[in-house]
Amino acid sequence: AQSVTQLDSHVSVSEGTPVLLRCNYSSSYSPSLFWYVQHPNKGLQLLLKYTSAATLVKGINGFEAEFKKSETSFHLTKPSAHMSDAAEYFCVVSDFRGTSYGKLTFGQGTILTVHP
Amino acid sequence: EAQVTQNPRYLITVTGKKLTVTCSQNMNHEYMSWYRQDPGLGLRQIYYSMNVEVTDKGDVPEGYKVSRKEKRNFPLILESPSPNQTSLYFCASSFDGGETDTQYFGPGTRLTVL
Repeated sequence: AQSVTQLDSHVSVSEGTPVLLRCNYSSSYSPSLFWYVQHPNKGLQLLLKYTSAATLVKGINGFEAEFKKSETSFHLTKPSAHMSDAAEYFCVVSDFRGTSYGKLTFGQGTILTVHP
Repeated sequence: EAQVTQNPRYLITVTGKKLTVTCSQNMNHEYMSWYRQDPGLGLRQIYYSMNVEVTDKGDVPEGYKVSRKEKRNFPLILESPSPNQTSLYFCASSFDGGETDTQYFGPGTRLTVL
């Protein structure tokens, strides 16, 4: 069975400072991993995804994430936060082998607040 | 414009009154899915469909039904809604549901059951 844990429910940063959103996963196989962002009253948008190629993945809006198999982590980072980054972020794992074909598992979400 | 649409966007109803939330995609995707989002729980999958006439349960299917008679449409049916189904619902689609596929999400439907 697969699972995802986002280690912080809320993260608060100042504009211009680095962002770190933490995600740990559990999977019986080598999964694919995604980060999605949800702005207030909007649907979810893909930020980036890891699909067993390069372990450092670059996404949109300056975000990147590093897949670390030994730590079962997929943390999301950005060097310098912008006010428009304020949103809720979801880490997602997909592992379609075994009996879980077609099934995504979402983390609980991390709300990012950016202060001026 | 490639998109996933849902209707209605907001709905207030009463316990036991059957309702349907529609979902449509214009990307010719094979895979479609329904999620509900509740505070502190993230998104949980209700049902998914790998293709026309092929559907399967997700993590929280109780109290919901779906159908996939056409490739573009994937309606979510609540035959006897209850207050614990008050939630924010998202429909999503992807090319074929493959492990590395990107899901495209609709704008959401906020449902309140009194």
